[in-house]
Amino acid sequence: KQEVTQIPAALSVPEGENLVLNCSFTDSAIYNLQWFRQDPGKGLTSLLLIQSSQREQTSGRLNASLDKSSGRSTLYIAASQPGDSATYLCAVILGQAGTALIFGKGTTLSVSS
Amino acid sequence: GAVVSQHPSWVICKSGTSVKIECRSLDFQATTMFWYRQFPKQSLMLMATSNEGSKATYEQGVEKDKFLINHASLTLSTLTVTSAHPEDSSFYICSATPGDARRGGNTIYFGEGSWLTVV
Repeated sequence: KQEVTQIPAALSVPEGENLVLNCSFTDSAIYNLQWFRQDPGKGLTSLLLIQSSQREQTSGRLNASLDKSSGRSTLYIAASQPGDSATYLCAVILGQAGTALIFGKGTTLSVSS
Repeated sequence: GAVVSQHPSWVICKSGTSVKIECRSLDFQATTMFWYRQFPKQSLMLMATSNEGSKATYEQGVEKDKFLINHASLTLSTLTVTSAHPEDSSFYICSATPGDARRGGNTIYFGEGSWLTVV
């Protein structure tokens, strides 16, 4: 059974720091992996999608990497800002499009100014 | 781009009553939608797969008679929490995938989520 683990559960950093969020999954046979952001009281916002054949994706200050063989993904946030404070969720999808995601518990990030 | 709308965003109901949450795909058709639930400090967990025109598929441990899912059209799925109790208080969120490359392809779109509080 696929399990997704995110470390750390919570992280507090001062503004401007670069940081890394970690995600691991137990079954390397994934279709793709996604990183989401969830603000308190809000829904999910998709940040980056990495197909199983890809190694990384970048969007602005965000960079996500994927190592299927080791069952790991990282989300790198450069020059963190207070507006980055949120919970970051990692999710894997096992099959073709139209199948469900399996989520980690998330990492709650707090960036202080 | 494709958008999934969920309503209501917040709902408070009395214990024993039923609450309906709607999930709509606004500009694409979705034969399949998914319903997730998230308790505080827990991960989003899949509750059920909603299939247009047929019965929903429920995950283990989710009571199908308590969480009624109706996917009557290609753009609407509803989740009804029947005889709600305080332990049903949670964040419920739906997702859908267009499938059609012109409408976003395999991208998964989520609704805004619904916060249910049962008092």
